[in-house]
Amino acid sequence: DQQVKQNSPSLSVQEGRISILNCDYTNSMFDYFLWYKKYPAEGPTFLISISSIKDKNEDGRFTVFLNKSAKHLSLHIVPSQPGDSAVYFCAAMNDKIIFGKGTRLHILP
Amino acid sequence: DTGVSQDPRHKITKRGQNVTFRCDPISEHNRLYWYRQTLGQGPEFLTYFQNEAQLEKSRLLSDRFSAERPKGSFSTLEIQRTEQGDSAMYLCASRLTGNQETQYFGPGTRLLVL
Repeated sequence: DQQVKQNSPSLSVQEGRISILNCDYTNSMFDYFLWYKKYPAEGPTFLISISSIKDKNEDGRFTVFLNKSAKHLSLHIVPSQPGDSAVYFCAAMNDKIIFGKGTRLHILP
Repeated sequence: DTGVSQDPRHKITKRGQNVTFRCDPISEHNRLYWYRQTLGQGPEFLTYFQNEAQLEKSRLLSDRFSAERPKGSFSTLEIQRTEQGDSAMYLCASRLTGNQETQYFGPGTRLLVL
């Protein structure tokens, strides 16, 4: 059973628009939630995280929202840029990290 | 500040051979993690160390797999008698507990077992 779920395998967004990536989790005991970006043949690159006691964290173009009652988090990227095209992994962490399966984001020119 | 490094980046081996991968974490990071990623999946946890102590091992880590971090710095992951199902990207990550709520990943070692 998957503890972290990303239900959209892919997403296409026009350059300059907002990209919204969604994630659901099942375990309420995670301390942190994270988003990683991954290019082919490279390791995941950390983007942004949020503590389980907060509901929003912002860093430049990236904002993560956490809805604990719905066990849902989302990553907003605005404005979307061509370099944002990659696979995005939602993850939850206590000691180890549990990853979702990823969402491939395509930024269209 | 150098990031996490892994060696080799690619490894092709024949079924039944042993392979060993190395990970050098970010300096001063006390925790070191190993993950495995197969096609279409997110990375899956294998094991982690705090300094030289191995604190947790996943059920994914069969008895053919062994990991060490003898001096609390670099780590090695050995796979004995490789099988085709071992083909994957092996990722290492490190973290400094207490003031970092994330793990930083290396570039990975891609293993292909023929």
